[in-house]
Amino acid sequence: EAQVTQNPRYLITVTGKKLTVTCSQNMNHEYMSWYRQDPGLGLRQIYYSMNVEVTDKGDVPEGYKVSRKEKRNFPLILESPSPNQTSLYFCASSLSSASRGYTFGSGTRLTVV
Amino acid sequence: GENVEQHPSTLSVQEGDSAVIKCTYSDSASNYFPWYKQELGKGPQLIIDIRSNVGEKKDQRIAVTLNKTAKHFSLHITETQPEDSAVYFCAARRNNNDMRFGAGTRLTVKP
Repeated sequence: EAQVTQNPRYLITVTGKKLTVTCSQNMNHEYMSWYRQDPGLGLRQIYYSMNVEVTDKGDVPEGYKVSRKEKRNFPLILESPSPNQTSLYFCASSLSSASRGYTFGSGTRLTVV
Repeated sequence: GENVEQHPSTLSVQEGDSAVIKCTYSDSASNYFPWYKQELGKGPQLIIDIRSNVGEKKDQRIAVTLNKTAKHFSLHITETQPEDSAVYFCAARRNNNDMRFGAGTRLTVKP
């Protein structure tokens, strides 16, 4: 089944403890992106990747890192999480950035205490 | 940059009635307008989209209209059913990556 898989689905962590949220797609998509969803703000882009080894900042990149060493994986790294990074995170992919729509993962709900 | 506003933030309708959600965008260079449906505990899913060279598109009970002059587009759902209850997001894309989302509309369809 074609899908975007995120792990974990839920995560509670403490301030400053490094964490990684994984994202993997099995559709051979070139384009991948991370969003955070907050009430009243919709989906805001954190980072995106046009292809392997090509990443760039979205609208809210502060406090996050990403890597794209292989086409299928696009992990989101929080080196020193803070409470304002408590949010619902979504990974998305598409064949290219100009493709119709994106395929989203099921989300990761992160709480930083 | 592009700014997308979506209204209303919540919408409640009786089963069988129609629902309309409206979005406005700020950048006249935006040329692609998708709509996503997000069910509880799931990621957003593309339900319909429209490009700037088309004024209206329909797919069974859902339709999207675009007014480029006024820079607004709308989602219309007819004969609503309880399974239409979800959060709906509009989006506008200016160039190949610059996709901006609205804040979302929580639609509740009462049986």
